[in-house]
Amino acid sequence: QKEVEQNSGPLSVPEGAIASLNCTYSDRGSQSFFWYRQYSGKSPELIMSIYSNGDKEDGRFTAQLNKASQYVSLLIRDSQPSDSATYLCAVGAGTALIFGKGTTLSVSS
Amino acid sequence: DTEVTQTPKHLVMGMTNKKSLKCEQHMGHRAMYWYKQKAKKPPELMFVYSYEKLSINESVPSRFSPECPNSSLLNLHLHALQPEDSALYLCASSQEPGSLSEQYFGPGTRLTVT
Repeated sequence: QKEVEQNSGPLSVPEGAIASLNCTYSDRGSQSFFWYRQYSGKSPELIMSIYSNGDKEDGRFTAQLNKASQYVSLLIRDSQPSDSATYLCAVGAGTALIFGKGTTLSVSS
Repeated sequence: DTEVTQTPKHLVMGMTNKKSLKCEQHMGHRAMYWYKQKAKKPPELMFVYSYEKLSINESVPSRFSPECPNSSLLNLHLHALQPEDSALYLCASSQEPGSLSEQYFGPGTRLTVT
């Protein structure tokens, strides 16, 4: 059974801090990794995709991938209250994505 | 533009009703998906269409019937649903089939079965 694990949280950070969200996966053959943001009552929104080991930066977001450790993370710099949401890690498995259960982030002003 | 549209936004139906959910994308994407999401749970894959053909059916009950009339449209026909089928139904699309391609979600249809 292929699994994606995330700490459900809530993860609470003050405004302006760095939020670090983590995800581990079981399928060593996975090649694609995605982070989605989901506000309460809304649909998931793709934030980042990463396919190679290392870091990928997009604005305040940095995705980090370590395939040897089967670990992918999302860093949010200068966190804002508008970043408060559930963050879903998704890992490619064959023809489909396997989603983690999500980490709830709360940014306090 | 990465827009996927879904109608209706909300739907309330009785257990004997027949209704349809609609999804549309004009990005030229060749794969389209239906997901079901219950509160505080991740999306669960229901169906995958690749190049307008059904490629994955995740053992979904027959009261859910997908249809892909053309490369831009995806429907989900609903019949004789149960209250436990109440959920957010999400449509997504990707440039190509397979898990290497980014999936973009529509806003979803909030379904309540009474």
